[in-house]
Amino acid sequence: DVKVTQSSRYLVKRTGEKVFLECVQDMDHENMFWYRQDPGLGLRLIYFSYDVKMKEKGDIPEGYSVSREKKERFSLILESASTNQTSMYLCASSRARGNQPQHFGDGTRLSIL
Amino acid sequence: GQQVMQIPQYQHVQEGEDFTTYCNSSTTLSNIQWYKQRPGGHPVFLIQLVKSGEVKKQKRLTFQFGEAKKNSSLHITATQTTDVGTYFCAGPRSSNTGKLIFGQGTTLQVKP
Repeated sequence: DVKVTQSSRYLVKRTGEKVFLECVQDMDHENMFWYRQDPGLGLRLIYFSYDVKMKEKGDIPEGYSVSREKKERFSLILESASTNQTSMYLCASSRARGNQPQHFGDGTRLSIL
Repeated sequence: GQQVMQIPQYQHVQEGEDFTTYCNSSTTLSNIQWYKQRPGGHPVFLIQLVKSGEVKKQKRLTFQFGEAKKNSSLHITATQTTDVGTYFCAGPRSSNTGKLIFGQGTTLQVKP
């Protein structure tokens, strides 16, 4: 069974801090994704990676960056956290070929004070 | 840009009543996926529909893909409290890189 593990379930940080959210998957999936989930807005794609060191901006990349140094790990970085980045962050992974389902981690509920 | 819309946003039903959520895409989709997110949980893949007019069933859940492949529906017969959660539809983005575009979701509440 696919396991996607996010490093923290809950996180509280201060405005201006640099924040790292980590995600690890154990199924050798090529694709990895970072979403943020806000009430009434569904899942919005922040960044996507299709291979090690390869990344694409999603719909809302402003204020975020990502790192994928190893296939199994995809990190989301908030360069200088702001209160409007308070949200639920979900990591997902999938196989690259065809229209494969995405497997999600449990999410990190991030609060920026 | 490409959009996927879901209605309704919220639905409250009495246990035993039926429930339907509708998904509409601004573009023709090669396939559509459905996910369920329980309260406090993460989205979990339910099913994928690929063919025009396709109908698939999972116990009390019936999924349909429209003839034009631009809309889909999920119908739950005789809801139970275990059906509570948010149901998302998702279609592949036009760039077809493995990225999905998700609808806003329909949150189902079931009163026992």
